[in-house]
Amino acid sequence: SYVLTQPPSVSVAPGKTASITCGGTLIGTKVVHWYRQKPGQAPVLVISNDSDRPSGIPERFSGSNSGVTATLTINRVEAGDEADYYCQVWDSSVVFGGGTKLTVL
Amino acid sequence: QVQLRESGPGLVKSSETLSLTCSVSGDSITSSSHYWGWIRQPPGKGLEWIGSIDYTGKTYDNPSLTSGVTLSVDTSKNEISLKMSSVTAADTAVYFCARHHALFGVYTVLQEFDSWGQGSLVTVST
Repeated sequence: SYVLTQPPSVSVAPGKTASITCGGTLIGTKVVHWYRQKPGQAPVLVISNDSDRPSGIPERFSGSNSGVTATLTINRVEAGDEADYYCQVWDSSVVFGGGTKLTVL
Repeated sequence: QVQLRESGPGLVKSSETLSLTCSVSGDSITSSSHYWGWIRQPPGKGLEWIGSIDYTGKTYDNPSLTSGVTLSVDTSKNEISLKMSSVTAADTAVYFCARHHALFGVYTVLQEFDSWGQGSLVTVST
């Protein structure tokens, strides 16, 4: 079965740029979606189709996907961005990455 | 704006059947561009997809799950349901339902979960 690998944690200072990676075999040939989940809340879609931002998601959020790595980039990080982030693909089955905890220092 | 709400018992005994319902408002279950999915999250752990169903009853499910999973749809009530048989403590989790965007062609490709319910905690007691 297909496996998505995310770093368990990423730390970033406020105002800086956070990059959260999602690795998988030839992931660049798949479509990647990203979710943000704050404690006690349901996940929220922040990026779909590799790089599309749903309505209501700030322009600070962007995504890219190539080769073996997809990346969620958050510019000008704010304290409110602190959350768990999950990547997801379809490989004849839904596959989620293990999640990355983003800590804002 | 679509809203989803999970409901069902919060406590299930081991070896019995877990049953949850997801009520959808603001969109029709018969939407031609969506499936409707179930995802769970054990305490302190990541997301695990259980399965997704369309309004005709066609399903896709996670081959990794060992418990017997049954998804169903009731278009008259605009609801989907989840049943998992012979549950164990490992099935203790928050269960989410979500709208699952789909692309239909020669093959169906399930895409992103674009709206989620708030989740329902189910504890399996031993």
